[in-house]
Amino acid sequence: ETGVTQSPTHLIKTRGQQVTLRCSSQSGHNTVSWYQQALGQGPQFIFQYYREEENGRGNFPPRFSGLQFPNYSSELNVNALELDDSALYLCASRLGQVAFFGQGTRLTVV
Amino acid sequence: GENVEQHPSTLSVQEGDSAVIKCTYSDSASNYFPWYKQELGKGPQLIIDIRSNVGEKKDQRIAVTLNKTAKHFSLHITETQPEDSAVYFCAASFSGNTPLVFGKGTRLSVIA
Repeated sequence: ETGVTQSPTHLIKTRGQQVTLRCSSQSGHNTVSWYQQALGQGPQFIFQYYREEENGRGNFPPRFSGLQFPNYSSELNVNALELDDSALYLCASRLGQVAFFGQGTRLTVV
Repeated sequence: GENVEQHPSTLSVQEGDSAVIKCTYSDSASNYFPWYKQELGKGPQLIIDIRSNVGEKKDQRIAVTLNKTAKHFSLHITETQPEDSAVYFCAASFSGNTPLVFGKGTRLSVIA
């Protein structure tokens, strides 16, 4: 049990739609990272937030955006969904370099 | 940027045998190397980590070794059990502001 919870656990969306995924961080952790994990691959870094500011971004287009709230919970928003966006989306709550992951949200785009 | 290579991609061992998974990294500035276990339908679970100021760390049946000169680190699991079957990922980073860069994973199967 990592204390990091994500919702929803599963989601099916149609190409072109928009989606919002949510993450509740572990208490006291002020940094949250989001990763995309395609089937059979390692997690790929999307972006990271520290005290409500984005402080790092991976090689993902601007239609991937996020927010971090004062209670350190976070959202990942994806606009104009494409079939290739189908993946497991992971939220990680960080204390320094140590990262604890949630169970993920499985997004399927049809 | 950092690049992490992981081998093998699949590994099958008999229950009770040892398993070794190896990773190499490219950025000599990296100083933190965690290992994660991911079971089907779950998120990655941190099982052990090592920092660059030590060469080896053990936790019961699990150990990690680090060779900074060669830029590689390894996960060793002794006395494997069926519940060790999962996908294992290595990762590297050099600060709390930089992301973890993951290897592609090793699917470990422990055969009873």
